[in-house]
Amino acid sequence: DGGITQSPKYLFRKEGQNVTLSCEQNLNHDAMYWYRQDPGQGLRLIYYSQIVNDFQKGDIAEGYSVSREKKESFPLTVTSAQKNPTAFYLCASSIEGARNQPQHFGDGTRLSIL
Amino acid sequence: AQSVTQLDSQVPVFEEAPVELRCNYSSSVSVYLFWYVQYPNQGLQLLLKYLSGSTLVESINGFEAEFNKSQTSFHLRKPSVHISDTAEYFCAVSGGYQKVTFGTGTKLQVIP
Repeated sequence: DGGITQSPKYLFRKEGQNVTLSCEQNLNHDAMYWYRQDPGQGLRLIYYSQIVNDFQKGDIAEGYSVSREKKESFPLTVTSAQKNPTAFYLCASSIEGARNQPQHFGDGTRLSIL
Repeated sequence: AQSVTQLDSQVPVFEEAPVELRCNYSSSVSVYLFWYVQYPNQGLQLLLKYLSGSTLVESINGFEAEFNKSQTSFHLRKPSVHISDTAEYFCAVSGGYQKVTFGTGTKLQVIP
């Protein structure tokens, strides 16, 4: 079955540590997205990528970094510069350029501070 | 710029009662509209979408939504809810060259 796989499901970060969240898709989608979800705030876009080796900042990119070396993979690194990283992180993908197509989501990674 | 407003953060409703979850949007261009559902500790799943044509769209599990252009609304309804409908529901809008915008979500709590 095609879909999006996020790992790990739960992640803990120590002070000053960088952590990387994995996102892999086998839907053959060009576009991929990272969202942060906090209670009562909906989904906020961190970064998105429309094609391999290219990505753009979303609304809350500070303290985060991404790479897109393969079409299937879009890992997110939460750096030590992100002072409030505790949140639920969702990865999504979609057909690029098709505004009438929905996004497909992974099951998320919950990040907490130790 | 486009935006989505879900005024109700939580909606409690008794089992087998009807429910309406409200969604209003703002956009200067034609839009596509979506409702997603999120169960605890899971990602979002598409519930239904309005692209064009009939303003009333339905999902396979009994939900329906009506696109009202004059009122810029896309409210979600179900005539009789079940315990398993307890979840958070997100409205989303996509239009023009902008990325999709999600609302802040409405938590539906079905009371036995």
